[in-house]
Amino acid sequence: DAGVIQSPRHEVTEMGQEVTLRCKPISGHDYLFWYRQTMMRGLELLIYFNNNVPIDDSGMPEDRFSAKMPNASFSTLKIQPSEPRDSAVYFCASRGTGSTSGNTIYFGEGSWLTVV
Amino acid sequence: GDSVTQMEGPVTLSEEAFLTINCTYTATGYPSLFWYVQYPGEGLQLLLKATKADDKGSNKGFEATYRKETTSFHLEKGSVQVSDSAVYFCAGGGYNQGGKLIFGQGTELSVKP
Repeated sequence: DAGVIQSPRHEVTEMGQEVTLRCKPISGHDYLFWYRQTMMRGLELLIYFNNNVPIDDSGMPEDRFSAKMPNASFSTLKIQPSEPRDSAVYFCASRGTGSTSGNTIYFGEGSWLTVV
Repeated sequence: GDSVTQMEGPVTLSEEAFLTINCTYTATGYPSLFWYVQYPGEGLQLLLKATKADDKGSNKGFEATYRKETTSFHLEKGSVQVSDSAVYFCAGGGYNQGGKLIFGQGTELSVKP
């Protein structure tokens, strides 16, 4: 069974460029989460969706960040324009609903972003 | 608001030592509780979980018991190995948390041979 799939795994970009991170959640999962991890701030929840609808985007740092989920199997996190302080690991995660999956969240392997 | 607090790291132990990483939570209702582990260069993996009071989660020699009276979910292992070196995250969540998990700040464990 495939896990959460993220792309790209690594990206190095110049300041001012647009960055798009992609995520495919586990099939059948109805929640999708975007997290950011840095040494300084630890693991931060940026935004999450339920049934493709954004539920809470209060963690999105500023207007340069946007996220979409056009269907149940795909989501994007976009940064435009990118800045060096956006350098971090961005994780996508998903979970299902029901007694079998409980509240367990499954993480992708992360997209390692470096903005120079 | 809801929060999860875990002991600060880094924690450095010798191989075969006993491990405890403390975790306490403040939350509405009675959330499910989790321990995740992150190895270098990887994402977070579920280590164990407990869904109600007095439940014990266990996996790979690690254990944690959901203590409602002390709102705690401490992680323990009787004999750590070098391969256990990683960052450990405590988390809690459920219906009252809107479907998301609240994570602690992570505790880095380093096990020396």
